[in-house]
Amino acid sequence: DQQVKQNSPSLSVQEGRISILNCDYTNSMFDYFLWYKKYPAEGPTFLISISSIKDKNEDGRFTVFLNKSAKHLSLHIVPSQPGDSAVYFCAASGGKLIFGQGTELSVKP
Amino acid sequence: GAGVSQTPSNKVTEKGKYVELRCDPISGHTALYWYRQSLGQGPEFLIYFQGTGAADDSGLPNDRFFAVRPEGSVSTLKIQRTERGDSAVYLCASSLRGNPRRTSGRAQIYNEQFFGPGTRLTVL
Repeated sequence: DQQVKQNSPSLSVQEGRISILNCDYTNSMFDYFLWYKKYPAEGPTFLISISSIKDKNEDGRFTVFLNKSAKHLSLHIVPSQPGDSAVYFCAASGGKLIFGQGTELSVKP
Repeated sequence: GAGVSQTPSNKVTEKGKYVELRCDPISGHTALYWYRQSLGQGPEFLIYFQGTGAADDSGLPNDRFFAVRPEGSVSTLKIQRTERGDSAVYLCASSLRGNPRRTSGRAQIYNEQFFGPGTRLTVL
């Protein structure tokens, strides 16, 4: 049973536009959510996180939104850059990390 | 300024063989995690060490999988009688402290996990 789901396996965006990556979860006990970025042949690297007591967290071009009633979070990247092209994983923490399947973002110049 | 390192980077073995995968965490990190990532999937939790002890091994798929961290630093993931379905990238991560438990109904600060590059295991 997939507790964290990323339903879009891939996303293609033009440079300078907004990228929106979505994630849904099923367990209301999760109290912390994170986004990781992964390049080929490298381990995931932490990007941004949000506590369940907040609904928005911003860090430069990256903003994460949390809608607890809908059990949904999203990552907004604006403006998107070609170097943002990677696989993005959302993860939920109720102690251990539970990851979604990932979304491959491609930013076209 | 070394990050998390994992050896070997690639391991090819035959079905039924025994393999060991090594993880060197960031110096001073007390918590260490093992994950497995299959093709097209996100990392899947296997086991979490706090110091030398396994605080949570609920993700280990069966008793062929075992992990140790005898001195609270380097960890070894051991897989006996490997099967083709064990083929995956095995990721190790460390954090300064383990994930805190919720107290008084309030979430505490999450301790960021830093991942190594992974070991790609192929079982033929």
